[in-house]
Amino acid sequence: GQNIDQPTEMTATEGAIVQINCTYQTSGFNGLFWYQQHAGEAPTFLSYNVLDGLEEKGRFSSFLSRSKGYSYLLLKELQMKDSASYLCAVSDSNYQLIWGAGTKLIIKP
Amino acid sequence: ETGVTQTPRHLVMGMTNKKSLKCEQHLGHNAMYWYKQSAKKPLELMFVYNFKEQTENNSVPSRFSPECPNSSHLFLHLHTLQPEDSALYLCASSQEGQGGQPQHFGDGTRLSIL
Repeated sequence: GQNIDQPTEMTATEGAIVQINCTYQTSGFNGLFWYQQHAGEAPTFLSYNVLDGLEEKGRFSSFLSRSKGYSYLLLKELQMKDSASYLCAVSDSNYQLIWGAGTKLIIKP
Repeated sequence: ETGVTQTPRHLVMGMTNKKSLKCEQHLGHNAMYWYKQSAKKPLELMFVYNFKEQTENNSVPSRFSPECPNSSHLFLHLHTLQPEDSALYLCASSQEGQGGQPQHFGDGTRLSIL
């Protein structure tokens, strides 16, 4: 079966760095997406990785290792507004998105 | 503003009612999706439309009936729902045929079944 695993909840301190991991087992791979979802709001696109390596976008970076079925989202210089759920999703062989349950990130002052 | 608008934002209905959820996208995309989001569970894909044609129906009960009159509008008609159908229903759109194109989501309709 297809499966995406990510931690349920993480806590970090304002100004610090946090890494949210995602492991996947899917039938085929056409890229991995990270989304951010604030409570009561729409998920919003953060990043897309299809080749191995690190993609950096400001304070957020995303890493992919296809051989290990592994990705992480790295958030630097954490701000209170980064408190949200972070969703990992893999595009399978049919270009359908398989979603993880999301990681709730709590930022403390 | 994500370019995808869903109405209503909240809906409370009895099990015998009939209601419809509406989604409109202003992004010029050719694919639209309905998802169900329940607490602490992955997003569940319900229906996919490409160029107004339904291409996916992931074993969704017939009490949910989608309609896509054009590539900008998507409806989800609800009838005789069950308490376990209470969830957040999200609409999304994307530009298909181009790898790596992200889906853009609306804010969702929070549905409560009494």
